[in-house]
Amino acid sequence: GENVEQHPSTLSVQEGDSAVIKCTYSDSASNYFPWYKQELGKGPQLIIDIRSNVGEKKDQRIAVTLNKTAKHFSLHITETQPEDSAVYFCAAKGRQTGANNLFFGTGTRLTVIP
Amino acid sequence: DAGITQSPRHKVTETGTPVTLRCHQTENHRYMYWYRQDPGHGLRLIHYSYGVKDTDKGEVSDGYSVSRSKTEDFLLTLESATSSQTSVYFCAISEGGAGVYEQYFGPGTRLTVT
Repeated sequence: GENVEQHPSTLSVQEGDSAVIKCTYSDSASNYFPWYKQELGKGPQLIIDIRSNVGEKKDQRIAVTLNKTAKHFSLHITETQPEDSAVYFCAAKGRQTGANNLFFGTGTRLTVIP
Repeated sequence: DAGITQSPRHKVTETGTPVTLRCHQTENHRYMYWYRQDPGHGLRLIHYSYGVKDTDKGEVSDGYSVSRSKTEDFLLTLESATSSQTSVYFCAISEGGAGVYEQYFGPGTRLTVT
């Protein structure tokens, strides 16, 4: 199956600075790459996603970039705020057909320091 | 949490006892998934369903079984719980239409096996 690696595992930034989280994947046939934000005691929340026919997607302060050749994608958060503090997970939709199964990275704990 | 409820939200059980976790959705989505979340492993797929009575294994299915007798309910059963099954379990749903890949997660069930 697909193998997704995520870095860094922890990230601390000052409020107002940018944060970047990077993921790599192994299956060149993967075509969908979502990012989830998980706050303490809650389920993961889909915050942005990108498909393999697009190189970049932006939604207000968050953006995702995809490099299919290098098989990596990144989450960019600009003008970070304390409420951005959470664990972020990247994922990739594997080759398996019929059920849109996702393979997840191991998560990045982002702390925004006021 | 996108019309998804999980029950119970917390459970403590003893080794060797059977445990059933329930996921209920009000979105009429075709696909349902069970994941487990452990430190250092992200989210890993246990089983998934692509329709009523249609289920298949994920990457960590040993020791688990599932059933889906109605569109809205997806049950995860641990036939004989072991300490290695102590985890947080998340249910997810996906609409399942052509090119629709987004998955939405429930609030989770924290299971402790003593």
